[in-house]
Amino acid sequence: ETGVTQTPRHLVMGMTNKKSLKCEQHLGHNAMYWYKQSAKKPLELMFVYSLEERVENNSVPSRFSPECPNSSHLFLHLHTLQPEDSALYLCASSQDVGGRNEKLFFGSGTQLSVL
Amino acid sequence: AQSVAQPEDQVNVAEGNPLTVKCTYSVSGNPYLFWYVQYPNRGLQFLLKYITGDNLVKGSYGFEAEFNKSQTSFHLKKPSALVSDSALYFCAVSLWAKGGATNKLIFGTGTLLAVQP
Repeated sequence: ETGVTQTPRHLVMGMTNKKSLKCEQHLGHNAMYWYKQSAKKPLELMFVYSLEERVENNSVPSRFSPECPNSSHLFLHLHTLQPEDSALYLCASSQDVGGRNEKLFFGSGTQLSVL
Repeated sequence: AQSVAQPEDQVNVAEGNPLTVKCTYSVSGNPYLFWYVQYPNRGLQFLLKYITGDNLVKGSYGFEAEFNKSQTSFHLKKPSALVSDSALYFCAVSLWAKGGATNKLIFGTGTLLAVQP
């Protein structure tokens, strides 16, 4: 195990639903990330948090709303999603955000299907 | 634009044969380069990284990668493939975000490695 846990593993939701993805890291890291993985596309960095403060938001639609209540937990709140939002959502953590040689530790992801 | 390219969607190799998974990059300045592996139904795991120094980098599970500045490549290699090496492999380059506030990893599209018994 990598020390990063994501729940749920699978999620099916309608376009009018509201749901949340949860991520928890047990590594004592200060930085947490949300990535979107779609088939045959590069991983897309969505959000970066450092010590509970959002430091990067990569032009993500407002229907995705992140929350970081403490340095161990990260949420992604979803509402009025579109079918093209169906993807694997990966959470990751690293010791800090400042170092270029930082190694990321990933969770297993939540496979999201929007109907 | 700064980017990473993995030209092969899939690489097929027989067990026991050497394998190569290709990666090229386009960045300004000195690149910090990484390989990650994703096994089925799992998140990505760090394999190895190149920061500076020896162009041949050794990593986990017997993998190694060769940094070639003139060809702007960072190909992943293993002398003898195992069936258990079958997975999705991602090359990545580390960039500074604007203002240098955060580190950002830019990933390639991934290459599926299939090792046949």
